[in-house]
Amino acid sequence: KAGVTQTPRYLIKTRGQQVTLSCSPISGHRSVSWYQQTPGQGLQFLFEYFSETQRNKGNFPGRFSGRQFSNSRSEMNVSTLELGDSALYLCASSLEGQGENIQYFGAGTRLSVL
Amino acid sequence: AQTVTQSQPEMSVQEAETVTLSCTYDTSESDYYLFWYKQPPSRQMILVIRQEAYKQQNATENRFSVNFQKAAKSFSLKISDSQLGDAAMYFCAYRAALRGATNKLIFGTGTLLAVQP
Repeated sequence: KAGVTQTPRYLIKTRGQQVTLSCSPISGHRSVSWYQQTPGQGLQFLFEYFSETQRNKGNFPGRFSGRQFSNSRSEMNVSTLELGDSALYLCASSLEGQGENIQYFGAGTRLSVL
Repeated sequence: AQTVTQSQPEMSVQEAETVTLSCTYDTSESDYYLFWYKQPPSRQMILVIRQEAYKQQNATENRFSVNFQKAAKSFSLKISDSQLGDAAMYFCAYRAALRGATNKLIFGTGTLLAVQP
């Protein structure tokens, strides 16, 4: 079974631009979560989707948004990029109903904002 | 709000030796899950071990085991017979056990483990 796939692996953008990151969960997983990882702030929760609905949201500005499609694939969008948005963005999927709902992570998308 | 604290930014261990990574957390919940994830240079977060708070028995996965002290809100990871491939950043994480509510993980700041040959 394929793991969580994130595309692209690397992105370079300039300030003011917008970017879209994609995440394909493990087959059968309906929950997708996004995290931002930076050296200064560590791993921070962005948002979580389940069955195309946003179930939880972290403390990030409205420039960060996401969505989930009927096939459980998810995208996150960052508009009006700032230098501080440079980070590793991690996506995780989980199978609901397993109790601990273990989250399996993708390899991440490294975003650099110049 | 729940918090997770890892007080050891870096640790070093000799190959074949044992090392313990510390983690403390704060929560008012009685039911929750705790995890240790490993992040090697490849950046892929890999689940090492998990513990359910209502289970008193400490979890074990091969060379990895935890010391879960619920009253003290402590969740340390012991790696036995350390191998070069264990070198990575290790994150402790907390998740509330509210069924169907959220899978949000709260992470500590990580401990970078170096394994010396």
